Amino acid sequence: EDKVVQSPLSLVVHEGDTVTLNCSYEVTNFRSLLWYKQEKKAPTFLFMLTSSGIEKKSGRLSSILDKKELFSILNITATQTGDSAIYLCAVEYGNKLVFGAGTILRVKS
Amino acid sequence: EPEVTQTPSHQVTQMGQEVILRCVPISNHLYFYWYRQILGQKVEFLVSFYNNEISEKSEIFDDQFSVERPDGSNFTLKIRSTKLEDSAMYFCASSRGQQETQYFGPGTRLLVL
Repeated sequence: EDKVVQSPLSLVVHEGDTVTLNCSYEVTNFRSLLWYKQEKKAPTFLFMLTSSGIEKKSGRLSSILDKKELFSILNITATQTGDSAIYLCAVEYGNKLVFGAGTILRVKS
Repeated sequence: EPEVTQTPSHQVTQMGQEVILRCVPISNHLYFYWYRQILGQKVEFLVSFYNNEISEKSEIFDDQFSVERPDGSNFTLKIRSTKLEDSAMYFCASSRGQQETQYFGPGTRLLVL
């Protein structure tokens, strides 16, 4: 069965800390891996990764994919309270996304 | 910036009733999707739709569910006879192409009593 596993399940940090969120997958016919941020409602797109070893960066967030070891990490540096959210990893194959359970991040001021 | 929109934001219905959830995908997108998230659980794929046809559906998407693109802008999910276990947040998503980023709407929270 195809699956996506995220760790840790939850994390509490202080403002200014750096966090690393993990996503491992076992999916046949892998096409891409996506990271989303979910606050109150809709998942908001962060990154799409298709190639190994190429870091994607947006401000304080960055992500990289390892297709050999079947995992991805999402880094957030200098965390702010506005980074508090659920971070979802999803793997695309066929015509759908398969989601992990998410990592709940809480940033304390 | 274009967004996926969904209506209603909340719906409460009685078990056995039909509900229609509506979505307006981003205007130049060609692929449309429905996902659901039961409270405290993962986001789960229901169905994908392209060129007025279902391209893939999950085991959850049984005969009680149907999708339609009734006009050039709306994309609907119908649940014919709702069950208690259909209570969930339903997300619509759209993408420009098959291997392109899926953008999600704000969701419809459905409560079946």
